[in-house]
Formats: sequence, structure tokens, C-alpha cells
Amino acid sequence: SAVISQKPSRDICQRGTSLTIQCQVDSQVTMMFWYRQQPGQSLTLIATANQGSEATYESGFVIDKFPISRPNLTFSTLTVSNMSPEDSSIYLCSVGPDRVQETQYFGPGTRLLVL
Amino acid sequence: KQEVTQIPAALSVPEGENLVLNCSFTDSAIYNLQWFRQDPGKGLTSLLLIQSSQREQTSGRLNASLDKSSGRSTLYIAASQPGDSATYLCAVRPHNLRGGSEKLVFGKGTKLTVNP
Repeated sequence: SAVISQKPSRDICQRGTSLTIQCQVDSQVTMMFWYRQQPGQSLTLIATANQGSEATYESGFVIDKFPISRPNLTFSTLTVSNMSPEDSSIYLCSVGPDRVQETQYFGPGTRLLVL
Repeated sequence: KQEVTQIPAALSVPEGENLVLNCSFTDSAIYNLQWFRQDPGKGLTSLLLIQSSQREQTSGRLNASLDKSSGRSTLYIAASQPGDSATYLCAVRPHNLRGGSEKLVFGKGTKLTVNP
């Protein structure tokens, strides 16, 4: 299994500012993902963080709003830029599977409130 | 497009009851199905993963079944405890026409409350 940590665990931010969320994994992984969970909703995939290349974004998400870095096989960051109250969500980092029969693991999440 | 539905959206039971959470999906072409637990304001904890070739998986008081042809899975919780109170999420991993896998598709979850 993979152990994932995220920083910060929660934050309260002002409209128009940006926040960078860090994700650290205890082992090298090929696939890293960033999800958003808005209040009362299920998880929505934002993007796949690719090591050494640009992230692959899902429909409705763009790099200017959610820039992602993946400098190595154990670390990634997600920035939420020019925040508005609609960005208030839990942001979750996830890893795996390296093979389709494997479990996908999630970090503890970053709870963001934008005022 | 794969869609995952979970019923009921919320469930409240007294401690000690056995209960069943339901998950249905629209496309039977899946690699596996995974059940997660999410505590309020927290991340997801993986509970059980069932491969498409399997019928069920068990872990402690939890038993998950899969009927791929009918697009259904159930999570059975025996002798429920207040500590089981959480939101339970079902997610399927579809496979695509090229034989590869797609990303997880989540249901909206069932919020379970077990009352002492």
C-alpha cells in the first residue's frame, strides 16, 4: 500500500489569492491524480500529474486555474489560482494503480474555504 | 459513458443491525470495483476491491459482492457499530475499447449513521 500525506490539511483563503497544495508519497509511483470534492458531492478528477511532462487535464479544468507540478515520482503540487468562493472544496491527491488490478489510494485531503 | 449510482443517499440504523449499501453502474465493461469509506472532512480509505472476475470480497465485518452482468454491487456490513458512521463511496474502473483501463468513476456515496 501507499502512504500519502498532504499539506496543508486545511486553509481559509481570501478571494483572488492562490494556494499551493503539496502531496508526498512514501514510495515511487507512476500515476498521481488530483481530485476535487465540492460540498455534498462526489469526487471529480481534475488532472493526472505526469512526471517530467505537463499534466493531463479533464474536461472543465485548465492549467491556468490549476497548475500542477510533478518533479519526481514521489511528489506533486496543485495550485488553485485566483480563488473564488466556488473553489471551496476538499482537494485530494491520489496514486496508482500501476496495474489495473490494484487498489487506488487517496491522501487525507486539503479542506479549502475561500471567503 | 459510465455512470455510478448509490442508493440510499443516507441511512440511519441502530447499533448492531446488519445493513446493505447498494451501488449500480451502467456499463458492465469494468476492470474492477472499489468501495471506500470517507469520514467527514477527510480523505478516502480503501475498504475492498473486487476484480471483474470475482463475485465477492470479505474483510472483517464487511462483505462486498459484484454482479457485473447486471451492473450491481452491494456492501454488507455486519453487526454495525457507531464507529462505522461515515460516507461509503463506490467507484468502478472501466476498460476502454483498446483494452486499457480508464479512470475511476465514483458514485455520490451513502451517508451511514449508526446510532448507539
